[in-house]
Order: sequence, then C-alpha cells, then structure tokens
Amino acid sequence: DTGVSQNPRHKITKRGQNVTFRCDPISEHNRLYWYRQTLGQGPEFLTYFQNEAQLEKSRLLSDRFSAERPKGSFSTLEIQRTEQGDSAMYLCASSPTQGAFEQYFGPGTRLTVT
Amino acid sequence: GQNIDQPTEMTATEGAIVQINCTYQTSGFNGLFWYQQHAGEAPTFLSYNVLDGLEEKGRFSSFLSRSKGYSYLLLKELQMKDSASYLCAVRRTQAGTALIFGKGTTLSVSS
Repeated sequence: DTGVSQNPRHKITKRGQNVTFRCDPISEHNRLYWYRQTLGQGPEFLTYFQNEAQLEKSRLLSDRFSAERPKGSFSTLEIQRTEQGDSAMYLCASSPTQGAFEQYFGPGTRLTVT
Repeated sequence: GQNIDQPTEMTATEGAIVQINCTYQTSGFNGLFWYQQHAGEAPTFLSYNVLDGLEEKGRFSSFLSRSKGYSYLLLKELQMKDSASYLCAVRRTQAGTALIFGKGTTLSVSS
C-alpha cells in the first residue's frame, strides 16, 4: 500500500494525558499537512511541512499542540494536557511537488478524550 | 474572514444528475478542489479547477467562475455508492499550501 498511513487509528485517553500520533506520507511527496475534523464539519487546517520545515501553523494550533517532521519523512503530532474539546478526527495529508498539488489524505486518527 | 458555503444536504435518485454548488469568499485564490468523503473514511480527491470553465472526469465534472466566487460539482448517472459527503476546498495562496474546506454537502442517493 503506497498511500498515506496514520497510527494509531483510534485513541481513547483521559483528560490531562498527552497523546502522540504518527503520519507516514506517500514516499515521493515532500509536503505534509495536518487537519482536524469534527462531526458535520469539513477538515480544519492545523499545520504543514515542506520537507522538515514547518512553514505554516493555524491559530487553532494552541501551545498544547506540537508537530515535527525531523527527517522530512514521517511526522508526529503531539497534544499535551488533552481536553475534551480535542476529541476529533486528526487527518494527515501529503501532496506531490508538481501539478495541482492535490492533497491525499490518510485514514485519520480518531481521538476521544474522556 | 474566509467563507465557503455549500448546501448541507441533497437527495437524488439512481441514474439522475445532481449539481452541488459552492460559493467562496477568501482573501486570495489559487485553486478550488472537490473531495468525496464516505462516512468514517478519509476525503478522496475528485477534481481541481484553477481557471474558469469546466473540467470533466468521467461521471464527475467541476466548474469554476472566479469572478463570481462560484463552483459546482456535477455528478451524472448517479449510483448508490455516490452517497457521501462532498467537500469544496479553496487554496488561497501559492501551490502546496493549506486548503480551507467548506462544511460539506451530504448527498443521499436512493433507488
């Protein structure tokens, strides 16, 4: 399978705990994006990387959120001191370096904070 | 602010044609995308418009008018499997940057 992969697919955590998600993009894509989606809404942009450089962060990305892409391949998204409002589907996408730069999404990590 | 509007829900019957409209007001425009999302799954790319006019891909076509801030997705010969949410998304700045998504239109196809 050469698509975008995300792990874990589901995460249940208690309020106040830290969680980390991983995204492996399509291998030849150098751009990687994180989005968050809640029920009945479209995905909301969080942050994006070109290679290892984090080029844009949404104001939605509070200081409890941090993302890394240390070697320009996989990326991690960490949420510290989780809150119930963080419950959502976290989607990762990657895009090629030419053409329409369309973004290809992974299956997502569904986070439930209890 | 950024605003992308789509109808919340639409219904249609198998074999019919349906048009899903999207209007946008964004600070900058560098392309409009349509994605399909089945319940519980990730969005999948359907089409891309950056210039005015119609782009056709099989049963799906997408139209863009930049002066009107308007796009539509046309689905022909509807099938039950087309029941899904259809997301309109705008890229505001240069290629490769983030997308702003609408809330999506849930299409229900009945037999």
